[in-house]
Amino acid sequence: AQSVAQPEDQVNVAEGNPLTVKCTYSVSGNPYLFWYVQYPNRGLQFLLKYITGDNLVKGSYGFEAEFNKSQTSFHLKKPSALVSDSALYFCAAGSNAGGTSYGKLTFGQGTILTVHP
Amino acid sequence: DAGVIQSPRHEVTEMGQEVTLRCKPISGHNSLFWYRQTMMRGLELLIYFNNNVPIDDSGMPEDRFSAKMPNASFSTLKIQPSEPRDSAVYFCASSLAASGGAETQYFGPGTRLLVL
Repeated sequence: AQSVAQPEDQVNVAEGNPLTVKCTYSVSGNPYLFWYVQYPNRGLQFLLKYITGDNLVKGSYGFEAEFNKSQTSFHLKKPSALVSDSALYFCAAGSNAGGTSYGKLTFGQGTILTVHP
Repeated sequence: DAGVIQSPRHEVTEMGQEVTLRCKPISGHNSLFWYRQTMMRGLELLIYFNNNVPIDDSGMPEDRFSAKMPNASFSTLKIQPSEPRDSAVYFCASSLAASGGAETQYFGPGTRLLVL
């Protein structure tokens, strides 16, 4: 069975500092990894995904994520945080194992990111 | 192109009443997912469809919940009878399932349900 873990319920950073939101995964087959962001009273919004190739994936709003196969991690990063980055972040995983997936993703429990002025 | 459309955006009802939530997926997408989000349980997958056929409904909490997808552009999630513990935000998402696991899901704005 697939699982995604976000070990930190909350992350607090000062504006201008780098931020990291952690994610580890467990899947069979090749992992496909996603990050979504949810602002208050909004739906989840796609940020970026890793399918194959370069381990460093760049996405929207200056975010990037690094795929590390040996550590089964896919941490979200941004070099300089903004107050407007404050939101709930979800990591998700899909895979090509076990036949047709129909696009099902397994989501982590979410991490609240707060960026202080 | 319009994204995933959900209606109503807010619903307040009384315990015992029937509630119907509606979703229009992105045109051309062939998979549709219903999720529920609460503070206590986080984001839960309730049911998903592919080509209008239910694939996995193991996340549906009980028989009071049912979902249908009569055609490629419309799905409903029904709760009958509703209970206060059903209060949550319900999201619909859609994707074009073609690459065997790498498809991006696109979420609607959600329906905020309050059962009194």
